[in-house]
Amino acid sequence: NAGVMQNPRHLVRRRGQEARLRCSPMKGHSHVYWYRQLPEEGLKFMVYLQKENIIDESGMPKERFSAEFPKEGPSILRIQQVVRGDSAAYFCASSPGQASGGIEQYFGPGTRLTVT
Amino acid sequence: SQKIEQNSEALNIQEGKTATLTCNYTNYSPAYLQWYRQDPGRGPVFLLLIRENEKEKRKERLKVTFDTTLKQSLFHITASQPADSATYLCALASGNTGKLIFGQGTTLQVKP
Repeated sequence: NAGVMQNPRHLVRRRGQEARLRCSPMKGHSHVYWYRQLPEEGLKFMVYLQKENIIDESGMPKERFSAEFPKEGPSILRIQQVVRGDSAAYFCASSPGQASGGIEQYFGPGTRLTVT
Repeated sequence: SQKIEQNSEALNIQEGKTATLTCNYTNYSPAYLQWYRQDPGRGPVFLLLIRENEKEKRKERLKVTFDTTLKQSLFHITASQPADSATYLCALASGNTGKLIFGQGTTLQVKP
C-alpha cells in the first residue's frame, strides 16, 4: 500500500510565478490536511479537505493561496504570485476518517518550495 | 491562545540511556495527544497517540504519559540507539476537524 505521495519534491519559482503542489493520499483515505513548515519553525496547519469540499481553511492566508480536492485526482495546493516568504516545506497528510476521533495522520515527504 | 511548548534545546544523550522529552500546553483541554518523529528532509511519522483518560501508553521502547492536571506529556525512549536521533514533535488536535497543532519539536541526538 503506497503511502502519501507528493510532487514535486522540490520546486523553484521566481517571484510572481504560480506554484502548484500535488498530494495523492493513501489508498482508501478521503481526508487531506495541508501543513506548512517555515525554516526554523514548527508545522502550521493550513487547510483540511474532503473530496470536493473544503472543511476548514482557517490556516490559509487570505490571498494568493487556494486548495482543492476533486472527485478524481490528487489534492492541489495552489500559490499565486509567489513571494520569498512563501519559501517553505509543504506537507500533506491523509487519514481514513475525520481525525477528531483520535486517528493518526499519515504524512507525505513534502514539497520544498524555493522562491528566488 | 492555545500554545504547545517543547524544549527547543537539543537533547544529547549516550547510547543505552533513557531519553525523556517534554510537551507542555496551555489554554487547551485536548481529548488526545500525539507524538511524531521527523527526520531531516522528510515528513513526520506517527509514533503514539494517548487519550485524556489514559495515564500511560507503551509501544516497544517508547512510553508516553499524559497528565491533564499538569497539562503535560512526557515521551520516553528507553535503551536509546543512535538510530533514534531525530526531531520529535508533540501534537494536539484543535476543534472538531482534527487539524493538528504542533510543538516546535525537540531534536534528540544519541551518541554511540
